[in-house]
Amino acid sequence: AQSVTQPDIHITVSEGASLELRCNYSYGATPYLFWYVQSPGQGLQLLLKYFSGDTLVQGIKGFEAEFKRSQSSFNLRKPSVHWSDAAEYFCAVAPFSNDYKLSFGAGTTVTVRA
Amino acid sequence: DAGVTQSPTHLIKTRGQQVTLRCSPISGHKSVSWYQQVLGQGPQFIFQYYEKEERGRGNFPDRFSARQFPNYSSELNVNALLLGDSALYLCASSLGTALSGEQYFGPGTRLTVT
Repeated sequence: AQSVTQPDIHITVSEGASLELRCNYSYGATPYLFWYVQSPGQGLQLLLKYFSGDTLVQGIKGFEAEFKRSQSSFNLRKPSVHWSDAAEYFCAVAPFSNDYKLSFGAGTTVTVRA
Repeated sequence: DAGVTQSPTHLIKTRGQQVTLRCSPISGHKSVSWYQQVLGQGPQFIFQYYEKEERGRGNFPDRFSARQFPNYSSELNVNALLLGDSALYLCASSLGTALSGEQYFGPGTRLTVT
């Protein structure tokens, strides 16, 4: 069955520390890959996306993600978190053949402590 | 430019009632998608409309229906509401059907069914 897994429900990091959020997918072929962020009371904002090419993708707000085909993973990283990065983060995929339908993981809540 | 707008912001309904949610896409966007986000979970795809035609449908019962108008705005209708329909309903717009652009999400409508 096709699925998107975010193994970490909640992560707490100190301000200034690095952050890595994990995402694994199970699809027949490499899908389109996305990371979204959702702050309380707001809609989803696209951080970055991967369709093809360079496996290290740069996004907004200082985030980057690395696609690893062998591990079916698309992990999100940020070298130094800011208090404003506290939010919920969702990994999403769209099958290559049905590129209009986003399938989301369950999300990872990030708490930033001072 | 205005982003994706949704109305109403919040809604409380009783089991068995019907509800209509509205979405206005970004100017120039012809595609609208609807997602349901239950508390603690990632969004789930309900529908996508492009040029007023349904292009895709997720695994939702026939109680859920939608339509797109000539100005590309959209309505989501849910009949015979169940407690389990309580969720945040997100609308997303994009230029076309391909995700080589990106989907822009609105802030959502919070539906509570009592």
